Amino acid sequence: NAGVMQNPRHLVRRRGQEARLRCSPMKGHSHVYWYRQLPEEGLKFMVYLQKENIIDESGMPKERFSAEFPKEGPSILRIQQVVRGDSAAYFCASSPPRQAIIGNTIYFGEGSWLTVV
Amino acid sequence: AQTVTQSQPEMSVQEAETVTLSCTYDTSENNYYLFWYKQPPSRQMILVIRQEAYKQQNATENRFSVNFQKAAKSFSLKISDSQLGDTAMYFCAFMKRMEDSSYGKLTFGQGTILTVHP
Repeated sequence: NAGVMQNPRHLVRRRGQEARLRCSPMKGHSHVYWYRQLPEEGLKFMVYLQKENIIDESGMPKERFSAEFPKEGPSILRIQQVVRGDSAAYFCASSPPRQAIIGNTIYFGEGSWLTVV
Repeated sequence: AQTVTQSQPEMSVQEAETVTLSCTYDTSENNYYLFWYKQPPSRQMILVIRQEAYKQQNATENRFSVNFQKAAKSFSLKISDSQLGDTAMYFCAFMKRMEDSSYGKLTFGQGTILTVHP
C-alpha cells in the first residue's frame, strides 16, 4: 500500500485559508477514494472518483469541500475557507478497474494531516 | 445503510497471549466483504485480514484469524501469540459487494485501541 502517494503529509492552515491535498493512486489504479478521520474516530467515506468523474460524493460536506481526479495528474481534495473542525487526517485509497477488483484490492496512502489554527 | 460497531474502546494483552477484538455490523445485504485494518502509531492503514461473506470458512493470516458468524452479524478478530508490534488501533470495516462495478466504499467501526504489554 506504499504505492498510494499522498502529499503533503502535514499541512497547517489558518482559518479561512484553502487546503489542497493530493493523491496519486497506485500504478494501474483508476479509482480513488477519499476518507476523513477525525480525532479519536474511525475513517468516514467522503468521495469516490474515477478519472474525470465523481461517482459518489455522498460523504462530502455540502459546502467548501470539492474533489477532482483529472485525466492527467493526481486527485485533489480541496477545502476552501478552512475552519478548526476541518482538522483531521485525510486518507486516500485506490483500487484497480472493475475487472480486477473482488473486494480486497483497496490500498490506502499514509494520510495527510491537516491542522487548522 | 450499513453500520459497524466495535464495542471495546480499549483492550490490553500480555505479550505472547491471545486476545479477541469484537465487531458487529448491521446490513440488509447478502453479498459483502468484511475487513480488519490496523492503524499503528504511524497512522498508516494496514489491511490485516479479509473475509468474503459467501465463504463459510473463517479467514486466517498467520497469527490473525476471524470468527465470522453471518447470522449473528458478528466478525471478531483473534490475535494469537501477541507481539509488541501489534500495539495499534484496530478497525473493523464493511464493504458491499457489487457485481458490475469496482465500488470500494468502506464503512468503518469506531476502532479498538490494543496495547500489548511486555
